[in-house]
Amino acid sequence: AQSVTQPDIHITVSEGASLELRCNYSYGATPYLFWYVQSPGQGLQLLLKYFSGDTLVQGIKGFEAEFKRSQSSFNLRKPSVHWSDAAEYFCAVGDSIGISGGSYIPTFGRGTSLIVHP
Amino acid sequence: EAGVAQSPRYKIIEKRQSVAFWCNPISGHATLYWYQQILGQGPKLLIQFQNNGVVDDSQLPKDRFSAERLKGVDSTLKIQPAKLEDSAVYLCASSPRPGQGAREQYFGPGTRLTVT
Repeated sequence: AQSVTQPDIHITVSEGASLELRCNYSYGATPYLFWYVQSPGQGLQLLLKYFSGDTLVQGIKGFEAEFKRSQSSFNLRKPSVHWSDAAEYFCAVGDSIGISGGSYIPTFGRGTSLIVHP
Repeated sequence: EAGVAQSPRYKIIEKRQSVAFWCNPISGHATLYWYQQILGQGPKLLIQFQNNGVVDDSQLPKDRFSAERLKGVDSTLKIQPAKLEDSAVYLCASSPRPGQGAREQYFGPGTRLTVT
């Protein structure tokens, strides 16, 4: 079964500092990988996704992530954090279950809460 | 385009009562998901529909939870009777028809349920 581990429950950074949020996955084949952000009281918004191809993926709001198959990781990075980036970040892995139409079932990590100090 | 709509946004009920949540996906999206997100955890998939058929409901507590998606558009999730541990945010998401190259999901704002 697929699984996602986000080892950091909380991350605190200063505004303007760089950021890296860790994500490790377990899946037998090439996974579909996602990062979502959730602001308080809001639903989840997709930051970026990896399906295949270039292992460095660019997303919205200046975020990027790198797929490293050898490490089973998909870490999220941002070179300079803004106070508005404070939120909960979720990594997810999607499994193609191969039914008619090719729907997939995603599994989410428990999330990392980002705190930004001024 | 309009996003995924959910109602109500907040609900407080007593244990053993029943409750229903409504979701209207993005127009044309074939796949609809219901997630349960307990405080401090990631979303857990409860049920997935493709059009009006169930793709996966293996994690839906069927003794108390039920969901339907009539006509392949709107969906309703019901809990009867509710337990304290059902307190959570219930998220609805939708995605385009598989095979159209989009496996990302679009989430609604969620319904926060508190069971007292």
